[in-house]
Amino acid sequence: DQQVKQNSPSLSVQEGRISILNCDYTNSMFDYFLWYKKYPAEGPTFLISISSIKDKNEDGRFTVFLNKSAKHLSLHIVPSQPGDSAVYFCGYTNAGKSTFGDGTTLTVKP
Amino acid sequence: EAQVTQNPRYLITVTGKKLTVTCSQNMNHEYMSWYRQDPGLGLRQIYYSMNVEVTDKGDVPEGYKVSRKEKRNFPLILESPSPNQTSLYFCASGGVSYEQYFGPGTRLTVT
Repeated sequence: DQQVKQNSPSLSVQEGRISILNCDYTNSMFDYFLWYKKYPAEGPTFLISISSIKDKNEDGRFTVFLNKSAKHLSLHIVPSQPGDSAVYFCGYTNAGKSTFGDGTTLTVKP
Repeated sequence: EAQVTQNPRYLITVTGKKLTVTCSQNMNHEYMSWYRQDPGLGLRQIYYSMNVEVTDKGDVPEGYKVSRKEKRNFPLILESPSPNQTSLYFCASGGVSYEQYFGPGTRLTVT
């Protein structure tokens, strides 16, 4: 049973609009939930995290929301830029064990 | 510059020929981990290490070995590679908040 799910394999958005990427989880045993961005031919890079005791964290154009009752996270990118086009992974690490979703490919069209 | 390095970046080998992929980090992180990425399957953890001489299995450890003799190095060993281990491999290291820094990846093809 997949513990972290990103149900949308892909998302296409117009430049300047909002991108919303979603992530659902089953196991609540984490301290931080993290989002990573991955460009082709590169390793993933850390984007933003949220503590399990918070419901929102903001960093510039990126905001992550955590809904613990629904076991759901969403990453908002406003405004979206063509350089945001990448694969986005959500995931967490608990006692060393890391679990990631399958990723969502975001395409931002100029 | 803070970084995680992996070598080689690309490797084509044959079934059964032992190989090692090296991983090194310069951030003094205690936590290190190996992942494989396959199309449509995201990042799956192979092994991780919480500190020197402390390693543990991730979700897909079969066919792999690791060692952590020094804090900075965490090599991945395939004793007898098989075609189903053809994949893109990432090494990562991390600090206390579990934010991980990933290497550039090693693309392995086993024929």
